[in-house]
Amino acid sequence: NAGVTQTPKFQVLKTGQSMTLQCAQDMNHEYMSWYRQDPGMGLRLIHYSVGAGITDQGEVPNGYNVSRSTTEDFPLRLLSAAPSQTSVYFCASSPYRGSLYEQYFGPGTRLTVT
Amino acid sequence: KNEVEQSPQNLTAQEGEFITINCSYSVGISALHWLQQHPGGGIVSLFMLSSGKKKHGRLIATINIQEKHSSLHITASHPRDSAVYICAVRSYGGSQGNLIFGKGTKLSVKP
Repeated sequence: NAGVTQTPKFQVLKTGQSMTLQCAQDMNHEYMSWYRQDPGMGLRLIHYSVGAGITDQGEVPNGYNVSRSTTEDFPLRLLSAAPSQTSVYFCASSPYRGSLYEQYFGPGTRLTVT
Repeated sequence: KNEVEQSPQNLTAQEGEFITINCSYSVGISALHWLQQHPGGGIVSLFMLSSGKKKHGRLIATINIQEKHSSLHITASHPRDSAVYICAVRSYGGSQGNLIFGKGTKLSVKP
């Protein structure tokens, strides 16, 4: 049981490039989410999904796209990278979005946009 | 104003000391989470609570729903407890039940 996996661990992009951050979980969790973590700020929600085929925007969705074609995978796409997207990105999952379920986090992806 | 406030921001303790980290929130919540982020960056869930108190080893978490306040206590602290501790709440209403995070408390325990 690998839990939540993320690839890559580190990435450097040039402004304007696009890329996809991969996230997968093997716990059959319905709820998956993407957060970004910046110095001096709490984790902020980018996008989330409550099940395959269902996604919605979080607090800071601009510049990012997501899709959820399977229960296991929830990739995050940067359409045209900007220096403001330099951050650490975490994917998380839980059995359901309901209040009493623990969140499981991936190891994070450190992204630098130059 | 942040919806979730943690104090202190930074905390240095000597090994063996009793540590308290506080979390106050301004929204109605259905649950509160305490998370730990180690220097390597990984985040793990420590506690999830909606009332009362929970204990796991040397860690104790309490919540007072009426006062909108939670505390995380570490007894007999150890250098391996050095990490960032993050409080997060699952709110009702506008944020649709997603988690709202505090900025974290950085704890350093010296031997």
